[in-house]
Amino acid sequence: EADIYQTPRYLVIGTGKKITLECSQTMGHDKMYWYQQDPGMELHLIHYSYGVNSTEKGDLSSESTVSRIRTEHFPLTLESARPSHTSQYLCASSESPGTGSYGYTFGSGTRLTVV
Amino acid sequence: GDSVTQMEGPVTLSEEAFLTINCTYTATGYPSLFWYVQYPGEGLQLLLKATKADDKGSNKGFEATYRKETTSFHLEKGSVQVSDSAVYFCALVEKGGSEKLVFGKGTKLTVNP
Repeated sequence: EADIYQTPRYLVIGTGKKITLECSQTMGHDKMYWYQQDPGMELHLIHYSYGVNSTEKGDLSSESTVSRIRTEHFPLTLESARPSHTSQYLCASSESPGTGSYGYTFGSGTRLTVV
Repeated sequence: GDSVTQMEGPVTLSEEAFLTINCTYTATGYPSLFWYVQYPGEGLQLLLKATKADDKGSNKGFEATYRKETTSFHLEKGSVQVSDSAVYFCALVEKGGSEKLVFGKGTKLTVNP
């Protein structure tokens, strides 16, 4: 049973619209992440957070922004959607640092299509 | 930097065939290693993990052994089922560092009846 929730699952939106992808987790994890998955399946880290009021850019440059006002919530926002933003977006969380042994828990993803 | 290389797909097998998906890694320290599975239309699920050399992770009939000498973590299953059709990702986390998960590019497996 998923402890990390993403909404919406699917979104079709017109160019220029502002959108927010929601991600919430109930596990109390400090670390949260956003990945963009291209049609070729490869996963690219675009944002991460180590805790409240902490956000960092990932390995792949993205026009999206994120915020972390509460531990459980890590929304991603696109101010002006473009067709190049069409992708699947996956949110994940992990336990506190130090061991690296727990891996990540992933949400079910949001499949975004910009027309 | 750290990296993961896994065999390119797609892989197509008949039901009950033996599966191997190769995965090798490059890391400066001693990472934890993982296999994730992504079923169609879903997010990623942790399949198995190993945190130190010679550890064997196992789950749902899948196995992988952490081989430090060959920097490998190959995924195996003795008899695949149609329900195993999915994309499989090998990944690592460098312990004590940023703890970002580094993924391979994924291998798509299709199992035919």
